[in-house]
Amino acid sequence: DAKTTQPNSMESNEEEPVHLPCNHSTISGTDYIHWYRQLPSQGPEYVIHGLTSNVNNRMASLAIAEDRKSSTLILHRATLRDAAVYYCILRDVRNDKLIFGTGTRLQVFP
Amino acid sequence: DTEVTQTPKHLVMGMTNKKSLKCEQHMGHRAMYWYKQKAKKPPELMFVYSYEKLSINESVPSRFSPECPNSSLLNLHLHALQPEDSALYLCASSGDRTEDTQYFGPGTRLTVL
Repeated sequence: DAKTTQPNSMESNEEEPVHLPCNHSTISGTDYIHWYRQLPSQGPEYVIHGLTSNVNNRMASLAIAEDRKSSTLILHRATLRDAAVYYCILRDVRNDKLIFGTGTRLQVFP
Repeated sequence: DTEVTQTPKHLVMGMTNKKSLKCEQHMGHRAMYWYKQKAKKPPELMFVYSYEKLSINESVPSRFSPECPNSSLLNLHLHALQPEDSALYLCASSGDRTEDTQYFGPGTRLTVL
């Protein structure tokens, strides 16, 4: 299973953009890049996913490097409710496994 | 309805007890999952059911026994657990395509005394 590497923690101020990086140098052609977040005392929550092209949804944007060996989750305006652990995950379409990395703990300050 | 429900929310059991965790989804999803999460660690996959059949067992000890009675329900039967099995147990489900997102329940906080 391919692995991801993320910084342990990051900080942001409210209403500022946040860029959460993820390295996945061993990504294979059948791996989708998924991001989930886990708020305190809750189960993980889907944020966004992509394969090769950049993706946008109402929660965030996902920027994928041309060689697919890294990606960045972009929160355009952080709020206090965005404080969570953000997991970058490679999901192989050949099976149902979702293997979580260690994640980045995001702190948002007012 | 994109909700996955889990019962109970909290469970305390002794090492000789037998208990069960329950998970339910009504989204018509074909795949259901059990994860174990220790404090300050990421979730770890335990089992996957696809179309009510066990498709993945991540070498989980036999004291954990999963069961999928129908397409909406997933159980995890617990017997002779150890204190190190204390953790948050998360259930999830996903749709027909393997790249589909997973929807997680809130988890059951298990304490083994």
